[in-house]
Amino acid sequence: GESVGLHLPTLSVQEGDNSIINCAYSNSASDYFIWYKQESGKGPQFIIDIRSNMDKRQGQRVTVLLNKTVKHLSLQIAATQPGDSAVYFCAEIRSSAGNMLTFGGGTRLMVKP
Amino acid sequence: NAGVMQNPRHLVRRRGQEARLRCSPMKGHSHVYWYRQLPEEGLKFMVYLQKENIIDESGMPKERFSAEFPKEGPSILRIQQVVRGDSAAYFCASSVGTGRLETQYFGPGTRLLVL
Repeated sequence: GESVGLHLPTLSVQEGDNSIINCAYSNSASDYFIWYKQESGKGPQFIIDIRSNMDKRQGQRVTVLLNKTVKHLSLQIAATQPGDSAVYFCAEIRSSAGNMLTFGGGTRLMVKP
Repeated sequence: NAGVMQNPRHLVRRRGQEARLRCSPMKGHSHVYWYRQLPEEGLKFMVYLQKENIIDESGMPKERFSAEFPKEGPSILRIQQVVRGDSAAYFCASSVGTGRLETQYFGPGTRLLVL
């Protein structure tokens, strides 16, 4: 079925390195994508979003890339810090399906000091 | 500016009891969403509400579950006659409510444990 999914369930990086978390989606009608960070015992925290008419968007230390040709989304974190350790979810909204978010399964990022 | 608030943070119920979960949206937000999360999984949409109106409840089980967002007060997710399979984290999110494709901001969640 149509879904949003992630390639890597766990990513381990050294502190100071860059991290790349990937996400694949199957519905070309998806309009809007959001990356959330979830720390243990907490709710998802908004990181960055991108609309389907964009290829790239940058925030503070984070960049989201959208490749509509291959239906692929990535989150790049520069100079990864221990505080970045969390589970990262990509989520999509399809305007045809209302405002509900469809979440992927999550990638756990572990930052080694 | 307070974020989305949920209470209780933890709730323990025995099978057959009722669970009531509360959510107060961010100030200025008029749309509320409820999601459910099982351990090590992503969040699954349940219901989408605005004041006094359910917009989309396609993700909510037809029996035992209900949701409301009254004119005054928080949004309530109610689970009647809870079963062990209802044990999960329930998250509420809110958005401004001016249009589609809005960013949703999440609360800290209520962790329900059914004994």
